[in-house]
Amino acid sequence: DADVTQTPRNRITKTGKRIMLECSQTKGHDRMYWYRQDPGLGLRLIYYSFDVKDINKGEISDGYSVSRQAQAKFSLSLESAIPNQTALYFCATQRAGGPGNEQFFGPGTRLTVL
Amino acid sequence: DAKTTQPPSMDCAEGRAANLPCNHSTISGNEYVYWYRQIHSQGPQYIIHGLKNNETNEMASLIITEDRKSSTLILPHATLRDTAVYYCIAKGMTTDSWGKLQFGAGTQVVVTP
Repeated sequence: DADVTQTPRNRITKTGKRIMLECSQTKGHDRMYWYRQDPGLGLRLIYYSFDVKDINKGEISDGYSVSRQAQAKFSLSLESAIPNQTALYFCATQRAGGPGNEQFFGPGTRLTVL
Repeated sequence: DAKTTQPPSMDCAEGRAANLPCNHSTISGNEYVYWYRQIHSQGPQYIIHGLKNNETNEMASLIITEDRKSSTLILPHATLRDTAVYYCIAKGMTTDSWGKLQFGAGTQVVVTP
């Protein structure tokens, strides 16, 4: 089984709808991240969480919210989806402790907002 | 964090070494250099990181110049499965910041038979 899973893998929705993307991990890592990727570009950080009680905004948090329900779960919500939120979304986890700890990424969720 | 500059694309023959350059001329003394790669819209995968010394693992080698203003990722024997976008990231090491990776556009590497 994959260590970092994302659901759904693909989602098509309409403008104005509320959408939740979910991320679960079995790695036991404290740190979790949400990124988005637009075509031809690198990933940009939306939100990150260093533990269950810690939530921080990233580079592009406007229009998004998150919830860290447990160490293993980190959800990203679009309260009112708009077309320019169409993108590939990745969740990542990382063990706390030092700069050498790599991030492990999920398979991604492809979101299309019509 | 220091800005990194990479060529947008490069080709490599299968079985040959692939040398991927990265410029980070404004890097500061406490910034590490990380490499990740992304295979065709999959989640990125960590390759290697380093501070001053050259590093090697089972995937690649990282050569950092003495002045730390540039580095080279070396894939010693490229295979078709190494076709991917490769990201070079310079990251400062405060406790709060070291997890917040900033990805640029990367280098699209195509390995050909």
